[in-house]
Amino acid sequence: AQKITQTQPGMFVQEKEAVTLDCTYDTSDPSYGLFWYKQPSSGEMIFLIYQGSYDQQNATEGRYSLNFQKARKSANLVISASQLGDSAMYFCAILTGNQFYFGTGTSLTVIP
Amino acid sequence: DSGVTQTPKHLITATGQRVTLRCSPRSGDLSVYWYQQSLDQGLQFLIQYYNGEERAKGNILERFSAQQFPDLHSELNLSSLELGDSALYFCASSAETGATNEKLFFGSGTQLSVL
Repeated sequence: AQKITQTQPGMFVQEKEAVTLDCTYDTSDPSYGLFWYKQPSSGEMIFLIYQGSYDQQNATEGRYSLNFQKARKSANLVISASQLGDSAMYFCAILTGNQFYFGTGTSLTVIP
Repeated sequence: DSGVTQTPKHLITATGQRVTLRCSPRSGDLSVYWYQQSLDQGLQFLIQYYNGEERAKGNILERFSAQQFPDLHSELNLSSLELGDSALYFCASSAETGATNEKLFFGSGTQLSVL
């Protein structure tokens, strides 16, 4: 079974607008971690944000926030005030059972 | 800079050949992961080593093998290469403390082109 599902292969957003990238996960572990990574066209994988399963508040890192809905098993990434440099692939991942599982990614294009 | 070093950055070779990709994890990290990313594909987990021992195996072909040495660097060996093996190969490391906030640190990848 897929541990991480990203249903949006591609997304477009106007510069300076906010965008939400969807991620749902599957685990029976009570303790797990959720991560988002960014992969620009240059290829490197850049860590963006982390959310722990016991965290009461949604994680935020600058313009990135994670909309964590535990009951729905979703961990959507919200990027506010999109910039051209945000155009990239975005991967959601879960650390559960001492294993990392990645989604298939969402390609985000920011339109000037 | 993630602290994870991968060499070489680019590799061009022919079908049937064998190559070795090298990875030095971040200082202090005991766990090394290898991933394959084909064009427009997600990350395919290949194999994980922890302190020299194989910890987990993913979709790794029998033609591929890996090891982690006592100094914790790791090598991924790809043999009898086929055109379909052309991909970006990532190494990542983590401290593997068991904490859920332990993120993976990725190297810059090795772009393998099999001609």
